[in-house]
Amino acid sequence: GENVEQHPSTLSVQEGDSAVIKCTYSDSASNYFPWYKQELGKRPQLIIDIRSNVGEKKDQRIAVTLNKTAKHFSLHITETQPEDSAVYFCAATRNTGGFKTIFGAGTRPFVKA
Amino acid sequence: DAGITQSPRHKVTETGTPVTLRCHQTENHRYMYWYRQDPGHGLRLIHYSYGVKDTDKGEVSDGYSVSRSKTEDFLLTLESATSSQTSVYFCATSDRGRYEQYFGPGTRLTVT
Repeated sequence: GENVEQHPSTLSVQEGDSAVIKCTYSDSASNYFPWYKQELGKRPQLIIDIRSNVGEKKDQRIAVTLNKTAKHFSLHITETQPEDSAVYFCAATRNTGGFKTIFGAGTRPFVKA
Repeated sequence: DAGITQSPRHKVTETGTPVTLRCHQTENHRYMYWYRQDPGHGLRLIHYSYGVKDTDKGEVSDGYSVSRSKTEDFLLTLESATSSQTSVYFCATSDRGRYEQYFGPGTRLTVT
Protein backbone atom coordinates (compact mmCIF):
# COMPACT_ATOMS: atom_id res chain seq x y z
CA GLY A 1 0.00 0.00 0.00
CA GLU A 2 0.90 3.66 -0.04
CA ASN A 3 3.28 4.87 2.63
CA VAL A 4 5.24 7.84 3.93
CA GLU A 5 8.70 7.34 5.39
CA GLN A 6 10.00 9.90 7.86
CA HIS A 7 13.57 10.36 9.11
CA PRO A 8 15.07 10.64 11.62
CA SER A 9 12.83 9.27 14.37
CA THR A 10 14.70 11.29 17.01
CA LEU A 11 16.91 14.32 16.66
CA SER A 12 19.21 16.06 19.13
CA VAL A 13 19.69 19.75 18.44
CA GLN A 14 21.56 22.46 20.29
CA GLU A 15 19.36 25.44 21.09
CA GLY A 16 19.78 28.03 18.37
CA ASP A 17 20.85 25.52 15.72
CA SER A 18 18.75 24.31 12.77
CA ALA A 19 16.87 21.04 12.46
CA VAL A 20 15.79 19.19 9.32
CA ILE A 21 13.23 16.39 9.06
CA LYS A 22 12.86 14.50 5.80
CA CYS A 23 9.98 12.52 4.32
CA THR A 24 9.45 10.47 1.20
CA TYR A 25 6.10 9.33 -0.15
CA SER A 26 5.05 6.65 -2.59
CA ASP A 27 1.66 7.79 -3.92
CA SER A 28 2.33 9.89 -7.01
CA ALA A 29 -1.26 11.21 -6.83
CA SER A 30 -0.53 13.00 -3.55
CA ASN A 31 -0.84 16.73 -3.99
CA TYR A 32 -0.90 18.22 -0.49
CA PHE A 33 1.79 17.84 2.17
CA PRO A 34 1.07 19.08 5.70
CA TRP A 35 3.29 19.06 8.76
CA TYR A 36 1.82 18.64 12.23
CA LYS A 37 3.31 19.32 15.64
CA GLN A 38 2.06 17.31 18.59
CA GLU A 39 2.98 18.16 22.15
CA LEU A 40 2.79 15.46 24.79
CA GLY A 41 -0.81 14.50 25.53
CA LYS A 42 -2.20 17.01 23.02
CA ARG A 43 -3.80 16.85 19.60
CA PRO A 44 -1.75 17.24 16.41
CA GLN A 45 -1.78 20.81 15.13
CA LEU A 46 -0.98 21.97 11.63
CA ILE A 47 2.13 24.15 11.53
CA ILE A 48 2.80 24.47 7.82
CA ASP A 49 1.73 22.87 4.56
CA ILE A 50 2.66 22.89 0.91
CA ARG A 51 0.81 22.03 -2.26
CA SER A 52 2.25 20.13 -5.18
CA ASN A 53 2.51 23.18 -7.44
CA VAL A 54 4.86 24.95 -5.01
CA GLY A 55 8.51 24.10 -4.32
CA GLU A 56 9.07 25.97 -1.08
CA LYS A 57 7.13 27.78 1.61
CA LYS A 58 8.31 29.66 4.67
CA ASP A 59 6.62 30.89 7.84
CA GLN A 60 8.89 32.65 10.32
CA ARG A 61 11.32 30.02 11.66
CA ILE A 62 9.90 27.07 9.74
CA ALA A 63 10.07 26.23 6.07
CA VAL A 64 9.06 23.32 3.92
CA THR A 65 10.52 22.21 0.60
CA LEU A 66 9.01 19.79 -1.90
CA ASN A 67 10.64 17.83 -4.71
CA LYS A 68 7.75 16.17 -6.51
CA THR A 69 9.96 14.40 -9.02
CA ALA A 70 11.89 12.64 -6.27
CA LYS A 71 8.80 12.41 -3.98
CA HIS A 72 10.70 14.08 -1.16
CA PHE A 73 9.68 16.86 1.17
CA SER A 74 11.42 18.34 4.18
CA LEU A 75 10.75 20.53 7.21
CA HIS A 76 13.40 23.03 8.24
CA ILE A 77 13.37 24.68 11.67
CA THR A 78 15.86 27.49 12.27
CA GLU A 79 16.99 29.00 15.58
CA THR A 80 15.52 26.09 17.54
CA GLN A 81 14.07 26.82 20.95
CA PRO A 82 13.10 24.56 23.87
CA GLU A 83 9.42 24.91 22.96
CA ASP A 84 10.20 23.23 19.62
CA SER A 85 10.58 19.93 21.51
CA ALA A 86 7.50 17.95 20.43
CA VAL A 87 6.72 15.25 17.88
CA TYR A 88 6.51 16.33 14.26
CA PHE A 89 4.56 14.38 11.66
CA CYS A 90 4.73 14.75 7.92
CA ALA A 91 1.86 13.58 5.76
CA ALA A 92 0.86 13.18 2.13
CA THR A 93 -2.73 13.70 0.98
CA ARG A 94 -4.59 12.83 -2.18
CA ASN A 95 -8.07 13.98 -3.07
CA THR A 96 -10.31 10.94 -3.55
CA GLY A 97 -13.65 12.60 -2.90
CA GLY A 98 -12.49 12.96 0.67
CA PHE A 99 -8.90 13.67 1.51
CA LYS A 100 -7.00 10.47 2.23
CA THR A 101 -3.93 11.27 4.26
CA ILE A 102 -0.99 9.00 5.02
CA PHE A 103 1.21 10.05 7.94
CA GLY A 104 4.86 9.44 8.64
CA ALA A 105 5.80 7.77 11.92
CA GLY A 106 6.99 11.01 13.53
CA THR A 107 10.20 12.73 14.62
CA ARG A 108 10.97 13.86 18.15
CA PRO A 109 13.62 16.58 18.31
CA PHE A 110 15.25 17.23 21.64
CA VAL A 111 16.42 20.81 21.93
CA LYS A 112 19.33 21.07 24.36
CA ALA A 113 19.80 24.34 26.17
CA ASP B 1 -9.98 23.70 19.21
CA ALA B 2 -13.36 24.11 20.86
CA GLY B 3 -15.12 23.22 17.60
CA ILE B 4 -14.29 19.48 17.76
CA THR B 5 -14.99 17.34 20.80
CA GLN B 6 -14.63 13.64 21.44
CA SER B 7 -16.33 11.46 24.01
CA PRO B 8 -15.42 9.68 26.11
CA ARG B 9 -11.88 11.01 26.61
CA HIS B 10 -10.76 7.87 28.39
CA LYS B 11 -12.24 4.39 28.40
CA VAL B 12 -11.22 1.00 29.73
CA THR B 13 -13.15 -1.96 28.40
CA GLU B 14 -12.89 -5.72 28.26
CA THR B 15 -12.05 -7.88 25.28
CA GLY B 16 -15.11 -8.85 23.30
CA THR B 17 -17.31 -5.92 24.28
CA PRO B 18 -18.61 -3.39 21.76
CA VAL B 19 -17.40 0.19 22.13
CA THR B 20 -18.61 3.40 20.48
CA LEU B 21 -16.59 6.59 20.33
CA ARG B 22 -18.22 9.86 19.38
CA CYS B 23 -16.86 12.84 17.52
CA HIS B 24 -18.89 16.04 17.52
CA GLN B 25 -18.10 19.18 15.52
CA THR B 26 -19.65 22.61 15.40
CA GLU B 27 -17.65 23.78 12.35
CA ASN B 28 -20.15 22.49 9.77
CA HIS B 29 -17.25 20.77 8.01
CA ARG B 30 -18.21 18.31 5.33
CA TYR B 31 -15.44 15.75 5.86
CA MET B 32 -14.73 13.81 9.03
CA TYR B 33 -12.05 11.23 9.78
CA TRP B 34 -11.12 8.69 12.42
CA TYR B 35 -7.46 7.90 13.07
CA ARG B 36 -5.66 5.75 15.56
CA GLN B 37 -2.26 6.67 16.95
CA ASP B 38 0.22 4.07 18.11
CA PRO B 39 3.92 4.42 18.95
CA GLY B 40 6.08 4.01 15.86
CA HIS B 41 3.12 4.29 13.47
CA GLY B 42 2.11 7.90 13.49
CA LEU B 43 -1.57 8.33 12.71
CA ARG B 44 -3.39 5.77 10.61
CA LEU B 45 -6.72 6.39 8.93
CA ILE B 46 -9.51 4.02 9.99
CA HIS B 47 -12.56 5.41 8.17
CA TYR B 48 -13.64 8.73 6.80
CA SER B 49 -16.87 10.42 5.78
CA TYR B 50 -17.42 12.78 2.88
CA GLY B 51 -20.99 13.64 3.78
CA VAL B 52 -23.99 12.49 5.77
CA LYS B 53 -24.38 8.74 5.31
CA ASP B 54 -21.33 8.68 2.98
CA THR B 55 -18.33 6.83 4.39
CA ASP B 56 -15.32 4.94 3.12
CA LYS B 57 -12.56 2.74 4.50
CA GLY B 58 -9.09 3.84 5.40
CA GLU B 59 -5.92 1.80 5.73
CA VAL B 60 -6.78 0.01 9.02
CA SER B 61 -10.55 -0.47 8.91
CA ASP B 62 -10.84 -4.14 9.94
CA GLY B 63 -12.79 -4.51 13.19
CA TYR B 64 -14.23 -0.98 12.99
CA SER B 65 -17.44 0.48 11.63
CA VAL B 66 -18.65 4.06 11.40
CA SER B 67 -21.87 5.96 11.02
CA ARG B 68 -22.74 9.54 10.22
CA SER B 69 -26.44 10.38 10.45
CA LYS B 70 -25.93 14.14 10.70
CA THR B 71 -23.22 16.60 9.74
CA GLU B 72 -21.97 17.24 13.24
CA ASP B 73 -21.56 13.66 14.53
CA PHE B 74 -19.30 10.83 13.41
CA LEU B 75 -19.39 7.61 15.42
CA LEU B 76 -16.70 4.94 15.51
CA THR B 77 -17.72 1.47 16.72
CA LEU B 78 -15.45 -1.37 17.69
CA GLU B 79 -17.74 -4.30 17.12
CA SER B 80 -15.88 -6.66 19.47
CA ALA B 81 -12.92 -4.97 21.11
CA THR B 82 -9.53 -6.71 21.09
CA SER B 83 -6.32 -5.85 22.91
CA SER B 84 -4.75 -4.79 19.58
CA GLN B 85 -7.28 -1.96 19.46
CA THR B 86 -5.80 -0.36 22.57
CA SER B 87 -4.77 3.01 21.19
CA VAL B 88 -5.40 6.73 21.16
CA TYR B 89 -8.17 7.61 18.72
CA PHE B 90 -8.35 11.00 17.05
CA CYS B 91 -11.19 12.46 15.09
CA ALA B 92 -10.49 15.14 12.49
CA THR B 93 -12.53 17.36 10.19
CA SER B 94 -11.91 19.32 7.04
CA ASP B 95 -14.02 21.78 5.14
CA ARG B 96 -15.35 21.52 1.60
CA GLY B 97 -12.66 22.42 -0.91
CA ARG B 98 -9.93 22.69 1.74
CA TYR B 99 -7.25 20.17 2.54
CA GLU B 100 -6.44 21.25 6.10
CA GLN B 101 -7.57 18.82 8.77
CA TYR B 102 -8.35 19.87 12.34
CA PHE B 103 -8.07 17.34 15.12
CA GLY B 104 -10.14 16.64 18.19
CA PRO B 105 -8.53 16.13 21.62
CA GLY B 106 -8.36 12.34 21.33
CA THR B 107 -9.79 9.34 23.19
CA ARG B 108 -7.49 6.96 25.04
CA LEU B 109 -8.97 3.46 24.81
CA THR B 110 -7.59 0.53 26.77
CA VAL B 111 -8.86 -2.98 26.05
CA THR B 112 -8.02 -5.45 28.83
